[in-house]
Amino acid sequence: TAGITQAPTSQILAAGRSMTLRCTQDMRHNAMYWYRQDLGLGLRLIHYSNTAGTTGKGEVPDGYSVSRANTDDFPLTLASAVPSQTSVYFCASSDSITGGQFFGPGTRLTVL
Amino acid sequence: AQKVTQAQTEISVVEKEDVTLDCVYETRDTTYYLFWYKQPPSGELVFLIRRNSFDEQNEISGRYSWNFQKSTSSFNFTITASQVVDSAVYFCALRGIFGKGTRLHILP
Repeated sequence: TAGITQAPTSQILAAGRSMTLRCTQDMRHNAMYWYRQDLGLGLRLIHYSNTAGTTGKGEVPDGYSVSRANTDDFPLTLASAVPSQTSVYFCASSDSITGGQFFGPGTRLTVL
Repeated sequence: AQKVTQAQTEISVVEKEDVTLDCVYETRDTTYYLFWYKQPPSGELVFLIRRNSFDEQNEISGRYSWNFQKSTSSFNFTITASQVVDSAVYFCALRGIFGKGTRLHILP
């Protein structure tokens, strides 16, 4: 079982360009999440989805958008990247909104 | 607003010592769930435990134990007889609200 996969593993992006980080889970979990991890700041929630077709904003949603067209996929889009979006991005899923979260391996994004 | 505080930024102990990681939370919800996660040096994040607010019974899993006290809004994590493999960053969380983590070094 793959669990959660994220792509790409890493990326260098020019400021102003757009990019979509991909996240796919095969556990049929209802809830999915996107976090960014920055040194000294821990994990901060960007967006979440409690179930397919719904999304919500987390602590740091500005500059990011998400969609949840089906259960398995939860892409994160940066419409116009800025250097402050340089971070490691983790996708996670849980069977319910109260369940423990299972994380993907992360995407390291550098915006220059 | 919800908040999770892990006051210990970094802890170092010698192997086989016991160590407790502190977690204090704030929430106005009457029903809530608390979590601990481990991030070893390899970088992946691993779910360790979930505790709901109805159940204040302590949980033990091998060398790991968790102490949940609603009266002090704390959910502390103890590792007994620590091992080098326990070296990691540990995060306490209220669903999507994470503390900043405690980096634990177990010295051989």
